[in-house]
Amino acid sequence: NAGVTQTPKFQVLKTGQSMTLQCAQDMNHEYMSWYRQDPGMGLRLIHYSVGAGITDQGEVPNGYNVSRSTTEDFPLRLLSAAPSQTSVYFCASSSGTLGEQYFGPGTRLTVT
Amino acid sequence: GQQVMQIPQYQHVQEGEDFTTYCNSSTTLSNIQWYKQRPGGHPVFLIQLVKSGEVKKQKRLTFQFGEAKKNSSLHITATQTTDVGTYFCAGEKDSWGKLQFGAGTQVVVTP
Repeated sequence: NAGVTQTPKFQVLKTGQSMTLQCAQDMNHEYMSWYRQDPGMGLRLIHYSVGAGITDQGEVPNGYNVSRSTTEDFPLRLLSAAPSQTSVYFCASSSGTLGEQYFGPGTRLTVT
Repeated sequence: GQQVMQIPQYQHVQEGEDFTTYCNSSTTLSNIQWYKQRPGGHPVFLIQLVKSGEVKKQKRLTFQFGEAKKNSSLHITATQTTDVGTYFCAGEKDSWGKLQFGAGTQVVVTP
């Protein structure tokens, strides 16, 4: 199993550009989530999904959209990139409630 | 704002020494998880505590969940250079798996 995969590993965007961060898992996990990690702030939840077709907002959802059309994939869309979105983005999946989260390798995004 | 607080933010440890990092929540948690992130890496699950007063050990690591389920600690004995990284606690308040992460304790080990 590949676990949780994320692409791209690195990305540089200009202010106003849009892009999609890809996340996929092959563990048949129902629960998937997106976090951003900024220095000194730990990981903050952006959006999450409890199953295909179901998504909800986390702690910092503004400027991001998600969809969950399949169990395996959970893309994160930046609609109009801003310098404040410069961060490391992690996707994670979990098999169920009260379970450990498996993190992907992360995407390092810089917005200039 | 962040409701799960971790202290200290940084910990410099001499190899062979012990140290403890603490995690405190403003609300009661259903469970707490601990993760370790090596420099440049991604968070990796270490352990989950569910019961009030629970204590779990993993070799040199001892995890404890407070009686009120609002705080937790991670104690590492005889620190080694392989313990370098940032340790995060993450509290879960509701049932689905929506974790609130602390800011982490960055551990630096000097030989």
